[in-house]
Amino acid sequence: NAGVMQNPRHLVRRRGQEARLRCSPMKGHSHVYWYRQLPEEGLKFMVYLQKENIIDESGMPKERFSAEFPKEGPSILRIQQVVRGDSAAYFCASSPPFVASRNEQYFGPGTRLTVT
Amino acid sequence: DAKTTQPPSMDCAEGRAANLPCNHSTISGNEYVYWYRQIHSQGPQYIIHGLKNNETNEMASLIITEDRKSSTLILPHATLRDTAVYYCIVRVAQRETSGSRLTFGEGTQLTVNP
Repeated sequence: NAGVMQNPRHLVRRRGQEARLRCSPMKGHSHVYWYRQLPEEGLKFMVYLQKENIIDESGMPKERFSAEFPKEGPSILRIQQVVRGDSAAYFCASSPPFVASRNEQYFGPGTRLTVT
Repeated sequence: DAKTTQPPSMDCAEGRAANLPCNHSTISGNEYVYWYRQIHSQGPQYIIHGLKNNETNEMASLIITEDRKSSTLILPHATLRDTAVYYCIVRVAQRETSGSRLTFGEGTQLTVNP
């Protein structure tokens, strides 16, 4: 059973360009989460999605960032007009359909975004 | 979700048990204790979780005090590859429509020495 997959693993963008980060959840998982880890800082929650729905986007910056999890295909985190401060590791996690006693999240290897 | 307190760093000798404490004195009755770790720059890895009873899996054991105000993660035979930041997270088993975010604190940097 393949784990959570993220691509690309490394992404370099110039200021003002767009970045698209992809996440394929584990098989059978219908919940996806995105987290960001700035250099030398902790992991911060960004957004929680189920298929075709954004459930909680309270951690997303108000501008330039968006996320989707379409019916078919991977979840996409999109950053428009990137700035140097967007340079970070972006981690995706997935979890199976909700069961109160078993709601652990499984993380992918991350995408390291560098903005030059 | 309840706040947790962990020591910033710990050392352990290879082959010995590593005991990582976590204080969560404001935990509520419906909150679970989860442990994750992050090995240098990799994605966080789920380790174990529990509500009231002690739990054990192939990776670790989780001991929760009777009053649930603290817990200890035990790695029975630490190896060099267990060197990582360990996060203790307390969270409600929320209904799926309410969101299930993980709130990571500073964690404990465990260094396993040869």
